[in-house]
Amino acid sequence: KQEVTQIPAALSVPEGENLVLNCSFTDSAIYNLQWFRQDPGKGLTSLLLIQSSQREQTSGRLNASLDKSSGRSTLYIAASQPGDSATYLCAVRMDSSYKLIFGSGTRLLVRP
Amino acid sequence: KAGVTQTPRYLIKTRGQQVTLSCSPISGHRSVSWYQQTPGQGLQFLFEYFSETQRNKGNFPGRFSGRQFSNSRSEMNVSTLELGDSALYLCASSLAGGNGYTFGSGTRLTVV
Repeated sequence: KQEVTQIPAALSVPEGENLVLNCSFTDSAIYNLQWFRQDPGKGLTSLLLIQSSQREQTSGRLNASLDKSSGRSTLYIAASQPGDSATYLCAVRMDSSYKLIFGSGTRLLVRP
Repeated sequence: KAGVTQTPRYLIKTRGQQVTLSCSPISGHRSVSWYQQTPGQGLQFLFEYFSETQRNKGNFPGRFSGRQFSNSRSEMNVSTLELGDSALYLCASSLAGGNGYTFGSGTRLTVV
């Protein structure tokens, strides 16, 4: 059974810092992995989608990497801003299913 | 283009009642998935529909049901509501399922 873990559960950093959020999964038979952002009480905003054959994806200040064999993905945020404060979730889709399996998220606070 | 639209945004129901939530996917998207989000359990998969057929179902009791119409719009129904059904219900759409999901803003259901 696939399990997705995100560490740390919470992170507080000063504005301007570069930071890394971690996501690990136990079963490497994934089809893709998607990073989302969720603001309090809101829905999910998709940030990056990495297919299982890819190693990384970039969008603006965000870079996500995927190491399928070791069951890890990282989300790198460059030059963090207070507006980046949110909960970040990773989710995997398995080869054999259309459902997403989510981690419990990392709650990020960027202090001005 | 319009995103995923969920109605209503907020709902308060009494134990024992039933409720129907609606989701309109992005135009052209034929896959619709539903998720329940609670503080204790995080995001959990309910079911996924494609072209009016349920392809995957999560581990929820039979009180939770759904359907998809020919225009890809989807509804989920919860009968005999329990206090524990209080949650944010999120709908996600995808072109064919699994290659990147776009989420709606959710329906916040409170059962009293």
